[in-house]
Amino acid sequence: AQSVTQLDSHVSVSEGTPVLLRCNYSSSYSPSLFWYVQHPNKGLQLLLKYTSAATLVKGINGFEAEFKKSETSFHLTKPSAHMSDAAEYFCVVSEANFGNEKLTFGTGTRLTIIP
Amino acid sequence: NAGVTQTPKFQVLKTGQSMTLQCAQDMNHEYMSWYRQDPGMGLRLIHYSVGAGITDQGEVPNGYNVSRSTTEDFPLRLLSAAPSQTSVYFCASSYFTGSDTQYFGPGTRLTVL
Repeated sequence: AQSVTQLDSHVSVSEGTPVLLRCNYSSSYSPSLFWYVQHPNKGLQLLLKYTSAATLVKGINGFEAEFKKSETSFHLTKPSAHMSDAAEYFCVVSEANFGNEKLTFGTGTRLTIIP
Repeated sequence: NAGVTQTPKFQVLKTGQSMTLQCAQDMNHEYMSWYRQDPGMGLRLIHYSVGAGITDQGEVPNGYNVSRSTTEDFPLRLLSAAPSQTSVYFCASSYFTGSDTQYFGPGTRLTVL
């Protein structure tokens, strides 16, 4: 069975400082991993995804994440936070299941940017 | 290209009433799914479909029915609404599988009194 743990429910950073959102996963097979972002009262949008190619994945809006199998982690980072980054971020795992892949979402991390 | 559309945006039901949440996509996606989002719990999968005529249960299927008669539409039916079903519901679609990029609709906010 697959699972995802987002280690922080809320992260606050000052504008212009680095962002780190932490995610650990559990999977019986080689997983696909994703980060999705949800701005207030909106649907979710894909930030980036890892599907067994390069372990360092670059996404939209300057975000990137590194897949570390030994640590079962997929942390999301950004060098310099912008006010528009304020949103909720979800780490997601997908495990192949004879073609019927299901997504399991973490509980989310709310990112607040301090001016 | 409208993407994924959901209707209605808001709905209030009384306990025991039934209703259907509509979801449609115009991207010719095979994979469609329904999630509910509750505070502090992330999104939980209710039902999903890998193509017309094929559906399967997710993590929290009880109290919900789905069918997939066309590629475009994937309605979610609440059989007898309960207060525990108060939530925000999202429909999503992707080309073939869960590992493909998911495109989410804007959501339906449902309150059951």
